[in-house]
Amino acid sequence: AQSVTQPDIHITVSEGASLELRCNYSYGATPYLFWYVQSPGQGLQLLLKYFSGDTLVQGIKGFEAEFKRSQSSFNLRKPSVHWSDAAEYFCAGGATNKLIFGTGTLLAVQP
Amino acid sequence: GAGVSQSPSNKVTEKGKDVELRCDPISGHTALYWYRQSLGQGLEFLIYFQGNSAPDKSGLPSDRFSAERTGGSVSTLTIQRTQQEDSAVYLCASSLSGGPVFDQPQHFGDGTRLSIL
Repeated sequence: AQSVTQPDIHITVSEGASLELRCNYSYGATPYLFWYVQSPGQGLQLLLKYFSGDTLVQGIKGFEAEFKRSQSSFNLRKPSVHWSDAAEYFCAGGATNKLIFGTGTLLAVQP
Repeated sequence: GAGVSQSPSNKVTEKGKDVELRCDPISGHTALYWYRQSLGQGLEFLIYFQGNSAPDKSGLPSDRFSAERTGGSVSTLTIQRTQQEDSAVYLCASSLSGGPVFDQPQHFGDGTRLSIL
């Protein structure tokens, strides 16, 4: 069955530290992969997406993600976290007209 | 703004009552999606509308849930005889066109937080 897994429910990092949020997918073929961010009380905002080609994709707000087929992963990274990055992050995958979302990772940023 | 608008933002109702949730997509967007976000879980796909095509209802959890989209624009999600397990945030998204999800990104509204007492 198609699935998207985010193994980390909650992560805390210090402001200025680097960040990596994990995402693993299970699909028969390479899916289309996305990262969304959700601030409290708001909808989801698209950070970046991967379809094919270059496996390192750049997104908004200084985020990037790398697609690794051998590991079935699409981890989100940021070299230096800002306090405003505190939010919940969702990885999602799709092959047709539907998106399958992971359960999310809640990011806390310490001063 | 010109984003996806959902109303109400919060809804509290008693078990057994019917509720209607509204979504106004971005003007010109032909595809519209409803998702449910329960506490501690990811987003669960509910239903998808694309233009005048028959909607994809494969994610609706029971026959108490229904949705319609009038005039290819505004959509209403109706939950009949609500149960406590229906408590969740209901998110609506729209995209410029449907088909494969990668063609056009989905733009999300802020959601309706539904609480069933």
